Amino acid sequence: GNSVTQMEGPVTLSEEAFLTINCTYTATGYPSLFWYVQYPGEGLQLLLKATKADDKGSNKGFEATYRKETTSFHLEKGSVQVSDSAVYFCALSSNDYKLSFGAGTTVTVRA
Amino acid sequence: EADIYQTPRYLVIGTGKKITLECSQTMGHDKMYWYQQDPGMELHLIHYSYGVNSTEKGDLSSESTVSRIRTEHFPLTLESARPSHTSQYLCASSSGTDTQYFGPGTRLTVL
Repeated sequence: GNSVTQMEGPVTLSEEAFLTINCTYTATGYPSLFWYVQYPGEGLQLLLKATKADDKGSNKGFEATYRKETTSFHLEKGSVQVSDSAVYFCALSSNDYKLSFGAGTTVTVRA
Repeated sequence: EADIYQTPRYLVIGTGKKITLECSQTMGHDKMYWYQQDPGMELHLIHYSYGVNSTEKGDLSSESTVSRIRTEHFPLTLESARPSHTSQYLCASSSGTDTQYFGPGTRLTVL
């Protein structure tokens, strides 16, 4: 079956530091890959997505590239801000429109 | 911007009470989902629907039930709440693509 393995947190960074959250997946077929973000007290928001191999999703300074050869979709941001403090979820879609989520990574950015 | 609403946002209730968590979306999406999010933040799919009069149980067994009488409405009901039901419940919807849009969540506490 489909599964997502996500880097365990929590991750604590200083402002302007480089952020990487690792995500690898197991899937049949050609799933779409997603990063969702959850701010305190809120639901999940779509951060970025990629639908096929070598696609790069990007939004708000975050980027992730769909790597089929390494079955990975690592999230990166070059310079984080305090406002990026949140929980980040990697996810993949299956043919039946369901999403499989990773366990989530809590990121805290200190001023 | 996705328009998906959940009420109430917070609910504290005694054991044995019947509760209904409301979820509505104004996007005309045919697919809707309920997730349970535990304190460790991991998301578990408990119910989903691909259209009116269609409901299915998700990957995590739940004592809750759902109905889908109207496209825009997907309420979740617990006939007799217990402390083990204490959790955050997230509703989501999607259309032809596999991107799911989430509501703000309902945080349920059963005393």
